[in-house]
Amino acid sequence: QVQLVQSGAEVKKPGASVKVSCKASGYTFTSYYMHWVRQAPGQGLEWMGIINPSGGSTSYAQKFQGRVTMTRDTSTSTVYMELSSLRSEDTAVYYCARVLVAGRAAFDIWGQGTMVTVSS
Amino acid sequence: DIQMTQSPSSLSASVGDRVTITCQASQDISNYLNWYQQKPGKAPKLLIYDASNLETGVPSRFSGSGSGTDFTFTISSLQPEDIATYYCQQYDNLPFTFGQGTRLEIK
Repeated sequence: QVQLVQSGAEVKKPGASVKVSCKASGYTFTSYYMHWVRQAPGQGLEWMGIINPSGGSTSYAQKFQGRVTMTRDTSTSTVYMELSSLRSEDTAVYYCARVLVAGRAAFDIWGQGTMVTVSS
Repeated sequence: DIQMTQSPSSLSASVGDRVTITCQASQDISNYLNWYQQKPGKAPKLLIYDASNLETGVPSRFSGSGSGTDFTFTISSLQPEDIATYYCQQYDNLPFTFGQGTRLEIK
C-alpha cells in the first residue's frame, strides 16, 4: 500500500543538526513532490519546504533558508530533511507529505511524523 | 505570504449538529484550498481538495465551498468520531500556508 515511513524520534542539543528520513513505497517516487511540514507542541501546521524527487530541485520557506536542506535518494525512494543550528523553538513533530506533480496539489499521504526535541 | 484566517478557533457542538468553519485568505486564491482533519497524536488527513471536492473514502457529511478569499467547511451531522482539529491550507503560491486550526469538541 502507499505509505511514507519516517525515521524515529531524535533528541538534540542546541546548535546541533538533525536529519530526518522519509521512505516512500507503493507508488512511483518521481510522480509526487515531497513537502515537509512541522508542528510544535500544541501548535498549528507550518510548511517548511518542497523537493522534487525527479530532479532534486528544492524551495524552502524563508524562515528556514540557510538552515534547512532537503535531499533525495531515488535508489531507495527516500527523501531527507536536515535542519541545522537547532534551537529550543525547533522542538516539534516533523512530517513529510506528498503532492502529485501533475494534478491536484493536496497533501494526500503523510508520514507518521518524527518528534525532534531540542534540549540542553 | 498568503495569510489564512480560520474561525472559530474552537467550537463545541452536540452529536447531530451542523457545524461550519470558515477560512479567509488574505488575497484571491481561486479554489486553491484544501481542508484537513487532525486527531491527537496523528498526522493530518485530507478531507476536501480544490475547495469543494471530497477525497475518496471520506464520508459525505463533510463538504466544502467557496472561492476567491472566502471558504466554508461543513459537517452536516456531527458524529463522535469527528472530534479533531481542522485546518484549511492554500496552495495558490509558495509558501503553502495553513489556517491556525479549529478545535472541535463535543458538547
